[in-house]
Amino acid sequence: QKEVEQNSGPLSVPEGAIASLNCTYSDRVSQSFFWYRQYSGKSPELIMSIYSNGDKEDGRFTAQLNKASQYVSLLIRDSQPSDSATYLCAVKRSSGGSYIPTFGRGTSLIVHP
Amino acid sequence: EPEVTQTPSHQVTQMGQEVILRCVPISNHLYFYWYRQILGQKVEFLVSFYNNEISEKSEIFDDQFSVERPDGSNFTLKIRSTKLEDSAMYFCASGGGQLNQAFFGQGTRLTVV
Repeated sequence: QKEVEQNSGPLSVPEGAIASLNCTYSDRVSQSFFWYRQYSGKSPELIMSIYSNGDKEDGRFTAQLNKASQYVSLLIRDSQPSDSATYLCAVKRSSGGSYIPTFGRGTSLIVHP
Repeated sequence: EPEVTQTPSHQVTQMGQEVILRCVPISNHLYFYWYRQILGQKVEFLVSFYNNEISEKSEIFDDQFSVERPDGSNFTLKIRSTKLEDSAMYFCASGGGQLNQAFFGQGTRLTVV
């Protein structure tokens, strides 16, 4: 059973549009949720963290969490070509206190001018 | 801004040889992780380290792998006898902050020939 699922994409949006990236997870006791951005050949870069139901905004990014539906999403407003990257959803579970972030396969986002 | 540092950035080794990948985590973080990413695939958890011992490991982390924190600052991953399928990007991450967010180093690209 896949723990963290994401549509691999690519998701293609025009510059200035809103990009919506989605993630579902299977472990109901998951505590915290993260979005990372990964440019090709680079390491994952943390862009958003969320642990409470609802929305959390940071600049052009909004993370949305719905624990009842086991669903977390990332909205990118006013998308820019520099936002083109793979977006990784990570879910932190607690196992013996070790707090392991588990990653989805990522969604490739292409923002075209 | 504190960051996780990994060395070397690229390592080429012959099959059967031992390699040691090095990491300097963010200084006040308590959780340390190694992940790997085979080209085109997802970020996979290998092992976590807390309080100077392994707290959890995945099925990938078999007897060929070991981790150490030899001097209180460095965190190393050793692969005793490398195989072709060990070729991947290896990421070190350290965990801190309110949600124990994982921050990644820039990675070591391991190529086994």
